[in-house]
Amino acid sequence: EVQLVESGGGLVQPGGSLRLSCAASGFTFSDYWMHWVRRGPGKGLMWVSHITSDGTSRDCADSVKGRFTISRDNAKNTLYLQMNSLRVEDTALYYCARDDPGIGIDIWGHGTMVIVSS
Amino acid sequence: DIVLTQSPLSLSVTLGQPASFSCRSSQSLVGSDGKTYLNWFQQRPGQSPRRLIHKVSERDSGVPDRFSGSGSGTDFTLKISRVEAEDVGVYYCMQGSHWPPWTFGQGTKVEIK
Repeated sequence: EVQLVESGGGLVQPGGSLRLSCAASGFTFSDYWMHWVRRGPGKGLMWVSHITSDGTSRDCADSVKGRFTISRDNAKNTLYLQMNSLRVEDTALYYCARDDPGIGIDIWGHGTMVIVSS
Repeated sequence: DIVLTQSPLSLSVTLGQPASFSCRSSQSLVGSDGKTYLNWFQQRPGQSPRRLIHKVSERDSGVPDRFSGSGSGTDFTLKISRVEAEDVGVYYCMQGSHWPPWTFGQGTKVEIK
C-alpha cells in the first residue's frame, strides 16, 4: 500500500524552527518528485515546496522563500521540510504529497500540524 | 503566477440532485507539451485531499462515475450527476501546467440541504 506519514509538527514560538519529516512506503520513493502543501485554519490549500526525484532541483513559494528548505534522503525513503524564522501565518496542517509523473500530485499523507504562537 | 478562481465558494445541494463547480484560470492552462494539467481534489472533513480527476477529464481509479470533469483553456468544470451524503467536503482545482508555483483554487464547500 502506498503510504506517506508526516511527523515533526508542534507548537513553536514566532522566530523558531521546526523540521518536518515524511516517511514514504509502498512505492519506489527515488522515482518520484515530491511536494509539501499546507492548509491554514479556515483557509484553502497552498503549495509550499517541491523537489525533484534526485534532489538536484527544488522550488518554493515566495511566502516561504529564504526560510523553508525542502530536502530528501532516498536511502531512507524520507522527505524533509526545514522551517526557520517561523511566523504566525505559517500555522497550518502540512501535507507531503507525491507527484505522479506526467500528471501531477496524486497521493497525500495525513498531515502534521504546525502552530506558531507566543 | 497563475490564479485559479473557483465558484461558487459554497454550495448546498439536495441529495440525488446534480452539482456543478467552476474553476477559471488567469491564463491558458495548455502546457508546453500541448497537454492541460488541471486536476480536481476532494477533501472530506477530517481527511486528506483525494484526487478525483486529472488532466481535465480523466477520472482517477476508484472514483465513482457520477464525477466528471470538462473544460479547456481557461474554463473548467467539475460535475456530480447525483450528490450523495459522502460527497460533503471541499473541492479544489489545481494547475500543474505552468510551474512554479503549482496553484490551487480557493475551494468550493459542498453541504447537503
